[in-house]
Amino acid sequence: QQPVQSPQAVILREGEDAVINCSSSKALYSVHWYRQKHGEAPVFLMILLKGGEQKGHEKISASFNEKKQQSSLYLTASQLSYSGTYFCGTDFQSGKLIFGQGTTLQVKP
Amino acid sequence: DGGITQSPKYLFRKEGQNVTLSCEQNLNHDAMYWYRQDPGQGLRLIYYSQIVNDFQKGDIAEGYSVSREKKESFPLTVTSAQKNPTAFYLCASSPRTLTLNQPQHFGDGTRLSIL
Repeated sequence: QQPVQSPQAVILREGEDAVINCSSSKALYSVHWYRQKHGEAPVFLMILLKGGEQKGHEKISASFNEKKQQSSLYLTASQLSYSGTYFCGTDFQSGKLIFGQGTTLQVKP
Repeated sequence: DGGITQSPKYLFRKEGQNVTLSCEQNLNHDAMYWYRQDPGQGLRLIYYSQIVNDFQKGDIAEGYSVSREKKESFPLTVTSAQKNPTAFYLCASSPRTLTLNQPQHFGDGTRLSIL
């Protein structure tokens, strides 16, 4: 049931774009995205509820393709502060989230 | 400011010893969760509670126990039956069960190691 994230790791230069994918083998009710800095608590980024819905937060946006059971996180013109591990959490209306294994993003100057 | 407080930040356990990790929230959230995180891995759910005096096992509940006697408190006990307890433990809460734009808020975590 654990969603699969890809890629596992990505290295960028400042200003470059990245896409992180989260795929589920089961139908999703919603997808949550979080970012975690090393040794810190995960920080909430956004929730996607409806199929095809896109949400944005500054230069970070996401889409949710209900038919494909997949969500993608888009980081545009990346900044050094974007570095960290990104997790998707999938909700099957069970009262709990199941998190992917994470994607480590490193942004270099 | 409202938030989730986990204590202690670092904890050491001796062989055969039970230890309890504290999690307190003043966000008036109904649901609370415990996750375990190992290096390079995602968050795995240990236990969760949607209401006072009720809780459910997550994916890796063996060797752990919890209680939910108060809305604001959800302590986790790592028992001696947990043979590999070294990990980063995160507590989270959300306003209610996962419906309609309800993010989880995380504490700063407790790092547990074996002596």
